[in-house]
Amino acid sequence: EIVLTQSPGTLSLSPGERATLSCRASQSVGSNYLAWYQQKPGQAPRLLIYGASSRATGIPDRFSGSGSGTDFTLTISRLEPEDFAVYYCQRYGSSLLTFGGGTKVEIK
Amino acid sequence: QLQLQESGPGLVKPSETLSLTCTVSGGSISSSSYYWGWIRQPPGKGLEWIGNGYYSGSSYYNPSLKSRVTISVDTSKNQFSLKLNSLTAADTAVYYCAGVHCSSTSCYYYYGMDVWGQGTTVTVSS
Repeated sequence: EIVLTQSPGTLSLSPGERATLSCRASQSVGSNYLAWYQQKPGQAPRLLIYGASSRATGIPDRFSGSGSGTDFTLTISRLEPEDFAVYYCQRYGSSLLTFGGGTKVEIK
Repeated sequence: QLQLQESGPGLVKPSETLSLTCTVSGGSISSSSYYWGWIRQPPGKGLEWIGNGYYSGSSYYNPSLKSRVTISVDTSKNQFSLKLNSLTAADTAVYYCAGVHCSSTSCYYYYGMDVWGQGTTVTVSS
């Protein structure tokens, strides 16, 4: 079973700063199968990135995904007030799905 | 566009079976591009995938829950459902349904869970 470990657990930043979130897999993950989600309090998660680097419909270009193998990164180039939220990575493989533990991006 | 809506009881007793339904609108549940999934989130915690169903009848479950879960798809009603038995307080969570978008039945390319229901809170308590 592949485990996804996200770091840091919490990221304290100011609006306008750059956010770099990490997702590390315990075994190699095909890039076709890695996604990122944003969740705000009281809301369902929203798909941001699929295929490790493709933005979902309507997602601003300040969000970008990269990586391959066991190391993946979500970058928010300049934080907007609405970007403070929890972010999850997710892997699809062998018809099963796994979420990482999440990274909370909070206002410093 | 696709929309999903969960329905079901908000309170269930320990040892009983939880039954939730997700109604799909704006598209067909028989699409070859979508599996239909359930995800839950205990209070203050992260997301946990429960399982997926497909219009053909196939289903896939989180190994940690497999012995207690059944997901089925009703194409005549454009709905899919979750049954989780032998409930304990640890099953208290917000339960979400979601569309799992794939390139095909084999999911050679995974496009992510791109449509979600709003979530329904389930409390397990006597």
